[in-house]
Amino acid sequence: QSALTQPPSASGSPGQSVTISCSGTSSDVGGYDYVSWYQQHPGKAPKLMIYEVIKRPSGVPDRFSGSKSGNTASLTVSGLQADDEADYYCSSYAGSSVLFGGGTKLTVL
Amino acid sequence: EVQLVQSGGGLVQPGGSLRLSCAASGFNFNIYSMTWVRQAPGKGLEWLSHISGSSTNIYYADSVKGRFTISRDNTKNSLYLQLNSLRAEDTAVYYCVRGRSTIDYWGQGALVTVSS
Repeated sequence: QSALTQPPSASGSPGQSVTISCSGTSSDVGGYDYVSWYQQHPGKAPKLMIYEVIKRPSGVPDRFSGSKSGNTASLTVSGLQADDEADYYCSSYAGSSVLFGGGTKLTVL
Repeated sequence: EVQLVQSGGGLVQPGGSLRLSCAASGFNFNIYSMTWVRQAPGKGLEWLSHISGSSTNIYYADSVKGRFTISRDNTKNSLYLQLNSLRAEDTAVYYCVRGRSTIDYWGQGALVTVSS
């Protein structure tokens, strides 16, 4: 199975909003409401930011939101802050496995 | 507090073997599915293998099927990954993670370097 498709980079100025997309197929993103998003700072383990498409774990700011339309999921980061600069990965349940996106490097200008 | 503490990484020659361990605490380990994920240097995340709470269901990525073996010992709250027939392309940080359809907690990672 192929990885999910994410743009390699995204950017925005402090206070702005940015949206990262994650494209899959009807066998993964489009077939299940089990899309997650992870934030990874350099040298650190990934951190869960969004799960089950739209849910936020306790402690994650509401500036982070998720959505899905068809075979494409999206992560929106509003009110960008310097600490939001990181790599972001999407993942989707795909039956007997989990697929990850290739990652998007978010730069806060 | 959920904790996943990993051990067992290191340098190994091509064709060699290594066993990774993950000690879990802070949650009821035996009811949770567990998963191994890896990240090659400068690359993205790759799902490797999943094991259900009772070890009834086990799945592998095609890239490691037949070479890697996942297991768990619920009496020790521990997860394992046996890596055999290692190749240079298996060089990566290996993460022990909790969950199956949603992965919510990650270990600190263990670096495995395959090189002669």
